[in-house]
Amino acid sequence: EVQLVESGGGLVQPGGSLRLSCAASGLTLSGHWMHWVRQAPGKGLVWVSRISNDGSSRSYTDSVKGRFTISRDNAKKTLYLQMNSLRAEDTAVYYCVRGGEYSYKPTDYWGQGTLVTVSS
Amino acid sequence: QSALTQPPSASGSPGQSVTISCTGTSSDVGAYNYVSWYQQHPGKTPELIIYEVTERPSGVPDRFSGSKSGNTASLTVSGLQVEDEADYYCYSHAGTYNVFGTGTKVTVL
Repeated sequence: EVQLVESGGGLVQPGGSLRLSCAASGLTLSGHWMHWVRQAPGKGLVWVSRISNDGSSRSYTDSVKGRFTISRDNAKKTLYLQMNSLRAEDTAVYYCVRGGEYSYKPTDYWGQGTLVTVSS
Repeated sequence: QSALTQPPSASGSPGQSVTISCTGTSSDVGAYNYVSWYQQHPGKTPELIIYEVTERPSGVPDRFSGSKSGNTASLTVSGLQVEDEADYYCYSHAGTYNVFGTGTKVTVL
């Protein structure tokens, strides 16, 4: 079965850290840009971060710069998002999304998401 | 890095057409022909329905069409069907980042 499976979400206190993982099954990640997208409960989609095929280029939405770090391990077919200094406003379902061979190419596969709740 | 602006809601009766606008800036929508549209049903993950402004992935009905003029992209759903009731999001490449629209809830009356 072709799928992206996120893990690592959960309840964390403000100021805490979490590391999300996204494992690919039945599809390749190498050769594709990868993205993290989040959606707060009842709210819209927000692009969070992207990483190039080889991991050499990374970018972030302004609200997470300096706090989140995206990375990948193509050999393990896994994408990561290290989230530090978490805030209540980071509470959301985080989706792992496969992009195209270039940053501007459309996405094709989405994971089912992992819920991150930041609360004391 | 502001979200692209979409109307919060749109509606139409079965068989009618509805058009959703997506307004950005000269740094995102206006700068690139890399605008996509996603459809999201409640509790489901988003599905790509339009990419590169006008292109449809295989399997997407031709009732869905996209266009762009200046800093505003648009999605038109023709021959509205009950199953088209969903949230719709535009999405644009913006050079060093990507950005989604605020989302539009389409209701089929």
